[in-house]
Amino acid sequence: NFMLTQPHSVSESPGKTVTISCTRSSGSIASNYVQWYQQRPGSAPTPLIYEDNQRPSGVPDRFSGSIDSSSNSASLTISGLKTEDEADYYCQSYDHNDRVFGGGTKLTVL
Amino acid sequence: QLQLQESGPGLVKPSETLSLICTVSGGSISSSPDYWDWIRQSPGKGLEWIGSVHSSGRAHYNLSLGSRVTISVDTSKNQFSLKVSSVTATDTAVYYCTREKWGQLRFLYFDLWGQGALVTVSS
Repeated sequence: NFMLTQPHSVSESPGKTVTISCTRSSGSIASNYVQWYQQRPGSAPTPLIYEDNQRPSGVPDRFSGSIDSSSNSASLTISGLKTEDEADYYCQSYDHNDRVFGGGTKLTVL
Repeated sequence: QLQLQESGPGLVKPSETLSLICTVSGGSISSSPDYWDWIRQSPGKGLEWIGSVHSSGRAHYNLSLGSRVTISVDTSKNQFSLKVSSVTATDTAVYYCTREKWGQLRFLYFDLWGQGALVTVSS
């Protein structure tokens, strides 16, 4: 099966824009949709993006997703950073009936 | 509003079987085509998908966990369950039950999560 690799941590200032990458180890990133989840400390994850770039109802448009076949990776972009965005972010994809998560990225907003 | 709640022992001895139940309230577990999953998170670590079950009883598992995992569904009780046999300290984790939202005959995302249940494996 494939793996999804994320940077361990990223940091940025309030009001700025940050991008978190998620690289697929084998197989095309475009072959299966990518999802993104946010997890605040002590809480369960919540969905942010599904099918590469779709937002569930209630998710602000500050959060956006994309894929880049040339780098075989997906990206989560958060614009207009707020201190409340400080959390762990996980990408997730699948292959047939298997579900795969990335290792997670800790976002610090300082 | 559909809600999920995990329940089960918080402490399990090594080599024994970990058992958890997820109770679905506010709706029917038989709402096809959704699947119901277990995901775990070891302390300070990332998310690991364990497996899924449909209300029909069809189940899929993370092969990295081998044959130690069994996920089943009880539609009469609106519950699904997880069993992990021969546990070791590496099975210590927060276990989440989730709903796998489907649309247009394909997986969309994990849209509903329980609050999580911490299970510690220790003698």
